[in-house]
Amino acid sequence: QKEVEQDPGPLSVPEGAIVSLNCTYSNSAFQYFMWYRQYSRKGPELLMYTYSSGNKEDGRFTAQVDKSSKYISLFIRDSQPSDSATYLCARGAQGGKLIFGQGTELSVKP
Amino acid sequence: ETGVTQTPRHLVMGMTNKKSLKCEQHLGHNAMYWYKQSAKKPLELMFVYSLEERVENNSVPSRFSPECPNSSHLFLHLHTLQPEDSALYLCASSQGSGGAADTQYFGPGTRLTVL
Repeated sequence: QKEVEQDPGPLSVPEGAIVSLNCTYSNSAFQYFMWYRQYSRKGPELLMYTYSSGNKEDGRFTAQVDKSSKYISLFIRDSQPSDSATYLCARGAQGGKLIFGQGTELSVKP
Repeated sequence: ETGVTQTPRHLVMGMTNKKSLKCEQHLGHNAMYWYKQSAKKPLELMFVYSLEERVENNSVPSRFSPECPNSSHLFLHLHTLQPEDSALYLCASSQGSGGAADTQYFGPGTRLTVL
């Protein structure tokens, strides 16, 4: 079993839709999670991070962690074509390392 | 220049060539990382340097040789690569606290093609 699993998509939605991106993780030892956004031909950029359970909101983006089911989610409200990118979830690990999922490719159609 | 920069952005090389990738961070961080990103695969951590000392080497073939002369610069020296080494090579830096909450900031990557 991969440490962090993520549906690669691609996921295509109409502009204005609510997008739900999800990851599951297997190791409960570390509870620090991050979402990165990667545009085509660019490096990943940090979008949000969360610690332990609960929700964290930043504008149109909400990150959610469910420890009981080992599930992390990113919700995008009122999605825009500019949100079209690959979204990477990651879990913090010992020594400052990050364990990444394979990324979900999102396309928001005008 | 701000953030993390990488040069060159694109590189095409033959299997017998020797080339180097360069990364520079302008964030005052103490840790730097090399990752390999292949299509449809998770980012693969290759090397970690903390305060210019290599602290992680994830079973990377010896044809990849990292160098960290100071906390702001990181190199990846390449020689006798294979076509399967073609990928996006990403550099990242972090504060270097060593904890699980040490946020990493990435450069734009070098797109490497091995012929």
